[in-house]
Amino acid sequence: EPEVTQTPSHQVTQMGQEVILRCVPISNHLYFYWYRQILGQKVEFLVSFYNNEISEKSEIFDDQFSVERPDGSNFTLKIRSTKLEDSAMYFCASNALYGYTFGSGTRLTVV
Amino acid sequence: GQQVMQIPQYQHVQEGEDFTTYCNSSTTLSNIQWYKQRPGGHPVFLIQLVKSGEVKKQKRLTFQFGEAKKNSSLHITATQTTDVGTYFCAAATGNQFYFGTGTSLTVIP
Repeated sequence: EPEVTQTPSHQVTQMGQEVILRCVPISNHLYFYWYRQILGQKVEFLVSFYNNEISEKSEIFDDQFSVERPDGSNFTLKIRSTKLEDSAMYFCASNALYGYTFGSGTRLTVV
Repeated sequence: GQQVMQIPQYQHVQEGEDFTTYCNSSTTLSNIQWYKQRPGGHPVFLIQLVKSGEVKKQKRLTFQFGEAKKNSSLHITATQTTDVGTYFCAAATGNQFYFGTGTSLTVIP
């Protein structure tokens, strides 16, 4: 069964540093997403990406965040100048018709 | 953003008992999806409901979409320990889904 692949599985970074989270969506999917989940809380939408541009973003997705599809397969989330409250699981997802497929997530710990 | 409330937040049941989680929205939804997240895992898509009053079944799981398309429920009959996890509804608005707060299910053997 096709999978969404995320790397790394765990990232520890110092406050103020930049991190890049990487995702390889399912190849024939057209929509790509980033979600985050703070420990013990609900999954929160960050951004959706379609046709090589952001289609929608939430209030959480401020100037600190950016997304990119640098080539035909990778989809990245960059967090500039990380803050302690950015510590969370970050999930990439993609979909074609309906029903998102989620990656296994990157646990980001900001210290 | 879209507000989707789920109740209860936590539920402990004895194995073999039934379980139901409810999802409520203040606005009419175009569709709703349900996901299951095992402890330490990622959300896994279970089902999508689109039509008013729709009922779908997957083995012991029954999903229902309200007539007004503002609420939905997931019912599990005769729970098993493999049902442990958090069940999220996700409501569609625009091009993305907003997740509910989730119901964490614990099944006591």
